[in-house]
Amino acid sequence: QKEVEQNSGPLSVPEGAIASLNCTYSDRGSQSFFWYRQYSGKSPELIMFIYSNGDKEDGRFTAQLNKASQYVSLLIRDSQPSDSATYLCAVRTYNFNKFYFGSGTKLNVKP
Amino acid sequence: GAVVSQHPSRVICKSGTSVKIECRSLDFQATTMFWYRQFPKKSLMLMATSNEGSKATYEQGVEKDKFLINHASLTLSTLTVTSAHPEDSSFYICSAPTSGGGNEQFFGPGTRLTVL
Repeated sequence: QKEVEQNSGPLSVPEGAIASLNCTYSDRGSQSFFWYRQYSGKSPELIMFIYSNGDKEDGRFTAQLNKASQYVSLLIRDSQPSDSATYLCAVRTYNFNKFYFGSGTKLNVKP
Repeated sequence: GAVVSQHPSRVICKSGTSVKIECRSLDFQATTMFWYRQFPKKSLMLMATSNEGSKATYEQGVEKDKFLINHASLTLSTLTVTSAHPEDSSFYICSAPTSGGGNEQFFGPGTRLTVL
């Protein structure tokens, strides 16, 4: 499997703070990059995706991609307790259109 | 967004039995579906790619004869865990990308398999 690395956490932030989640990948052929949120016992929910270098913003979420460094991150502004979940980074390969996931970072937002 | 369903949501079986899990795309056609397995507190591990009208392609280390995949139509893929053992107990999740190889994939709700 292609390597997608994430810090397992837990990452603890106070309510209202910015949470920063990071992900690195090994396959330079990766085409698109995704952030999913997963609650315990549930399947992943797509937060956003990015495929161009730079930043992409969607509401309180900002995805950042640096293909040269093979690095993608997710910033969550004004973190809420309901944001507490495991965040999965996923990459889509170019050749076979497959998705590979990192191990996930557990985020705890404390009231 | 598109909807993907899975059935059953939970199954408990005895060791040695076979279990079939269905994955359906409800409002779109999926020539490709993916099957993942997730152990507790671990990430999703891609098991295989299900291809409508042709054989599934398996990831390295996944036993083809153990995990049988059939993509019978453009809206249905099935995963059969044959001769299940306790170590096969896991959360199995299917997904389908949007048609045309789009950027998104939609996940089913998952099937919790417990083998006694």
